[in-house]
Amino acid sequence: GNSVTQMEGPVTLSEEAFLTINCTYTATGYPSLFWYVQYPGEGLQLLLKATKADDKGSNKGFEATYRKETTSFHLEKGSVQVSDSAVYFCALQKAGTALIFGKGTTLSVSS
Amino acid sequence: EAGVAQSPRYKIIEKRQSVAFWCNPISGHATLYWYQQILGQGPKLLIQFQNNGVVDDSQLPKDRFSAERLKGVDSTLKIQPAKLEDSAVYLCAITTPVRGERMGRSNYGYTFGSGTRLTVV
Repeated sequence: GNSVTQMEGPVTLSEEAFLTINCTYTATGYPSLFWYVQYPGEGLQLLLKATKADDKGSNKGFEATYRKETTSFHLEKGSVQVSDSAVYFCALQKAGTALIFGKGTTLSVSS
Repeated sequence: EAGVAQSPRYKIIEKRQSVAFWCNPISGHATLYWYQQILGQGPKLLIQFQNNGVVDDSQLPKDRFSAERLKGVDSTLKIQPAKLEDSAVYLCAITTPVRGERMGRSNYGYTFGSGTRLTVV
């Protein structure tokens, strides 16, 4: 079946460090891929998305590129801030079906 | 603007008791989902509604969980009887068309409610 695998956390970084959170997926066909973020005490929010191979999603300095050949959608940010501390979820969606989430990766950024 | 109200925010019950959660989309949306998010894990789909009908309930533990959607708008999720492993956050979500994009594959944005945190003791 369709699934998403994320790197396990927590990821602990200093402010201005480079961030990579790995995400790989298993799915037939061409799913859409997403990154969601959950800040402490808040609900899930869409961070970025890509709907076809080689698309790059970007938002708030975060980027992820849909790599069909490696079935990956790694999240990157060049310089993290304390305010980026949150739980990040990679997700996929096939047409007409619900989102499937990974287990989440906790990011903790210290000043 | 789309929004999803959920109630209650928190609930603590003893095992074997019953509990109900409510989801109230601010305006009507065709598709509504219930997800279960256990601490330390990603949300897992329990049930997907399209209008009043069920599209996918393959992961709903039907011996104890039930859900309904009235008039294609509000929805309730019930657990009877609850078990310790049901402790989780229950999220309701709706999908809305993304402004400026054509209707089609995955061109619908999800809006999640804040969830109901259930603790079974």
